[in-house]
Amino acid sequence: EAGVVQSPRYKIIEKKQPVAFWCNPISGHNTLYWYLQNLGQGPELLIRYENEEAVDDSQLPKDRFSAERLKGVDSTLKIQPAELGDSAVYLCASSLMAAGGELFFGEGSRLTVL
Amino acid sequence: SQQGEEDPQALSIQEGENATMNCSYKTSINNLQWYRQNSGRGLVHLILIRSNEREKHSGRLRVTLDTSKKSSSLLITASRAADTASYFCATVPTYGSSNTGKLIFGQGTTLQVKP
Repeated sequence: EAGVVQSPRYKIIEKKQPVAFWCNPISGHNTLYWYLQNLGQGPELLIRYENEEAVDDSQLPKDRFSAERLKGVDSTLKIQPAELGDSAVYLCASSLMAAGGELFFGEGSRLTVL
Repeated sequence: SQQGEEDPQALSIQEGENATMNCSYKTSINNLQWYRQNSGRGLVHLILIRSNEREKHSGRLRVTLDTSKKSSSLLITASRAADTASYFCATVPTYGSSNTGKLIFGQGTTLQVKP
């Protein structure tokens, strides 16, 4: 069974440029999460989807971040414009359970903003 | 926001020794989970313990949960060099009697196992 797939693995951009990350969850997993992980820190939740509905986006900085999950499968996280402080690893995870179950993570997308 | 606090932040032991990591949290929870993260990789789920459970085992892993003290511990017995990684606890808080569905991670413990 394929795991959670994320792309790109690495991205280097200049500040003020846009960037997008893509995630394909495990087949059949209706719940999808985007987390941000700074160096040496634990992951912090940005947004959680159940199917195509964003059920928790309270920590998503909506002035520059946006996310979508069309058709309740793949998801895209976008930052526009990127700032220096956005340099981090963006992790996607999926879960079979709607609430509070085991998460399966992708390898992450490491963003460097210069 | 971070809910859990792991202790110690870093741990270095010799192969064959046991490693114990602790996690404290602030709110009532539905369950608590432990994850491992190798350098530059995603997180891997290790074990889930529910709020009505006190101890759980999985291979060389033993997890305890004390809801009265809002704390958990992860014990890795007979450690191996391959156990070198960061370990995170994560909690699913409850709000009233409802499961919030959120998984909130702590800061992690970095474990180094020397061959």
